[in-house]
Amino acid sequence: DTGVSQNPRHKITKRGQNVTFRCDPISEHNRLYWYRQTLGQGPEFLTYFQNEAQLEKSRLLSDRFSAERPKGSFSTLEIQRTEQGDSAMYLCASSFSVYVAGEGLGYQETQYFGPGTRLLVL
Amino acid sequence: GESVGLHLPTLSVQEGDNSIINCAYSNSASDYFIWYKQESGKGPQFIIDIRSNMDKRQGQRVTVLLNKTVKHLSLQIAATQPGDSAVYFCAEAFPYGQNFVFGPGTRLSVLP
Repeated sequence: DTGVSQNPRHKITKRGQNVTFRCDPISEHNRLYWYRQTLGQGPEFLTYFQNEAQLEKSRLLSDRFSAERPKGSFSTLEIQRTEQGDSAMYLCASSFSVYVAGEGLGYQETQYFGPGTRLLVL
Repeated sequence: GESVGLHLPTLSVQEGDNSIINCAYSNSASDYFIWYKQESGKGPQFIIDIRSNMDKRQGQRVTVLLNKTVKHLSLQIAATQPGDSAVYFCAEAFPYGQNFVFGPGTRLSVLP
C-alpha cells in the first residue's frame, strides 16, 4: 500500500497520560498536515510541515500538543497530559505542492489523507 | 468502522438519479476549493478541485460548480450509485495559504 498510513488506528488512554501518533506520508510528498475531526464536523487544521520545517500551527494547537517531522519523512503528533476534550479522530494528510502555470493562479495540491487515529480519553 | 457525522444534513437520492450537494464557503479571498468524500472509518478521499478562475470543472461522473458572487460551491454526481453513499465535505484554501478550511459536511444516502 503506497498511501498515507497512520498508527495506531485506535488509542484509549486515561486523562493525564501522554500519547503519540505516527504518520507515514506518501514518499515523494513534500507537505504533511495534521487535522483533528470530531463527530459531525469536518476536519480542523492543526499544523503542517514543508519537508522538515513546521510552517504553520493553528491556535487549536495548545502547548500540550507538539508535532515533529524529522528528516522530512514520517511525522509524530504528541499530546501531553491528555484531557477528555482531546477525544477525536486525528488525521494526517500529505501532498506535493506544484505551481501550475497553465491554470493561471499558482499552487495546486491534492491532499491525500490517511485512515486516522481515533483517540478516546477516559 | 465508526460513523462519520452522526448529525449531519442528509441528502437521500434514488440509485441512478443525479445528486447535488451544496456548500457555502466563508472567505471571499479563497482561491482553491476541493470536494472530499469520507466513508465510515476512513480518511477523506479527494474527489475534484477547482480554482477561482473557473466556474465549472468536470470529472468522471462528477461536476463542481463555483459561484464566487454568492460564495457557493456545488458538487453534482451523475447516475448516483450505492458506493457514493458517504459524507461529503467541501474545503477552501486561501491564496498561497496552506490552511484548508473544511465545511460541516453532508451525508449522501443512496436508496435502492
